[in-house]
Amino acid sequence: DIQMTQSPSSLSASVGDRVTITCRASQFMSTYLNWYQHKPGKAPKLLIYAASTLQSGVPSRFSGSGSGSEFTLIISSLQPEDFASYYCQQSYSTPYTFGQGTKLEIK
Amino acid sequence: QVQLQESGPGLVKPSQTLSLTCTVSGDSISSGGYYWNWIRQHPGKALECIGYIYYSGSTYYNPSLKSRVTISVDTSKNQFSLKLSSVTAADTAVYYCARQEAAAGSPFDYWGQGTLVTVSS
Repeated sequence: DIQMTQSPSSLSASVGDRVTITCRASQFMSTYLNWYQHKPGKAPKLLIYAASTLQSGVPSRFSGSGSGSEFTLIISSLQPEDFASYYCQQSYSTPYTFGQGTKLEIK
Repeated sequence: QVQLQESGPGLVKPSQTLSLTCTVSGDSISSGGYYWNWIRQHPGKALECIGYIYYSGSTYYNPSLKSRVTISVDTSKNQFSLKLSSVTAADTAVYYCARQEAAAGSPFDYWGQGTLVTVSS
């Protein structure tokens, strides 16, 4: 199985901050990397797929980059509704696997 | 708007079978083109893919759970279901259903809200 290592596991930030979350894979996986946002009690929401493609309806302050085994999610200017948990997920090979998550909290 | 909703018992006794159903609205499972997935998250742990089913009934199961998992589909009700046998406390988790385009590398584009299943006597 491909192991996904996400960092940091938690992050405190303020509205307006620029935030970077990193995801590293245990092996090469091209750009088959997806990012999700998850708020307690809600359905996880797809933000970015194929490493850098913004899902329809997702604000442009979210962006993704990377290829191979290292990937990054950037939120350019945090908004109050962005405080949530974020997960990366590889769709390169089954079983598909997720990172441990990053909990983004208000400073 | 596609919506998925999990349902089933929130408490299951050890050694019994966990059974959950996912009801899909806003899309027809029988239209094809998508895999219908089960994913779970243990408390404080990473999300884990359990497996998926296609409308035709073909399935994929995570090898780590394959011996205990059965996923089935009822296209007449637009539902798919999960059965996990011989459960233990280690199967306590929030269980999600999710849709995935049946194409290489596709993400999970719609998810249910999840349902907590606790395994305890």
